[in-house]
Amino acid sequence: QVQLQESGPGLVKPSETLSLTCTVSGGSISGYYWSWIRQPPGKGLEWIGYIYDSGSTYYNPSLKSRVTILIDTSKKQVSLKMSSVTAADTAVYYCARGMSIAARPVWYFEFWGQGNLVTVSS
Amino acid sequence: EIVLTQSPATLSLSPGERATLSCRASQSIFTYLAWYQQKPGQAPRLLMYDASTRATGIPARFSGSGSGTDFTLTISSLEPEDFAIYYCQQRSNWPTFGQGTRLDI
Repeated sequence: QVQLQESGPGLVKPSETLSLTCTVSGGSISGYYWSWIRQPPGKGLEWIGYIYDSGSTYYNPSLKSRVTILIDTSKKQVSLKMSSVTAADTAVYYCARGMSIAARPVWYFEFWGQGNLVTVSS
Repeated sequence: EIVLTQSPATLSLSPGERATLSCRASQSIFTYLAWYQQKPGQAPRLLMYDASTRATGIPARFSGSGSGTDFTLTISSLEPEDFAIYYCQQRSNWPTFGQGTRLDI
């Protein structure tokens, strides 16, 4: 069974860079879209961006200027960096794997990590 | 950006009743829609994809329908464990989610 585990600081100061890592176990990292999705406390879900095993990325246009997603296939890890954070970036950050339908990767999220709460505060 | 609007915001029902949740897209998304269930403190769980296909392990009491801009998730007979928040998500363009429907006992 595929398992995803997010890790990283739970507290980040305003204007600094948020950094999270997602470690994949129980399955291949190749052939799928790997996304980061966030959920502010008590609110809905927001897709941040994805990376494919080739390294190609696509970001939410509203966050694109501040976000970088990287992949390390040898370590089976996907990372998220978000710069210039503010209190509005306080959220649970999820790593999620996309589905494969007819051997094609698609943007439905089949496996999720348990989430990492990041609070932005001085 | 494709906006998904879910209704109602809250649905109060009893076990054994039928639940009907709606999701409307701001433009046609064909059948590129998924539904997720989220319980407190947990990550969302994929229920349905491509509007009407159940994900692995999802009970048959869950069904989905719709195409274009109007979609429905139906739970035929509510079990106690079905009371949760439900989100729709489209993949016609970069992914966006609806704001959620809370299903309360």
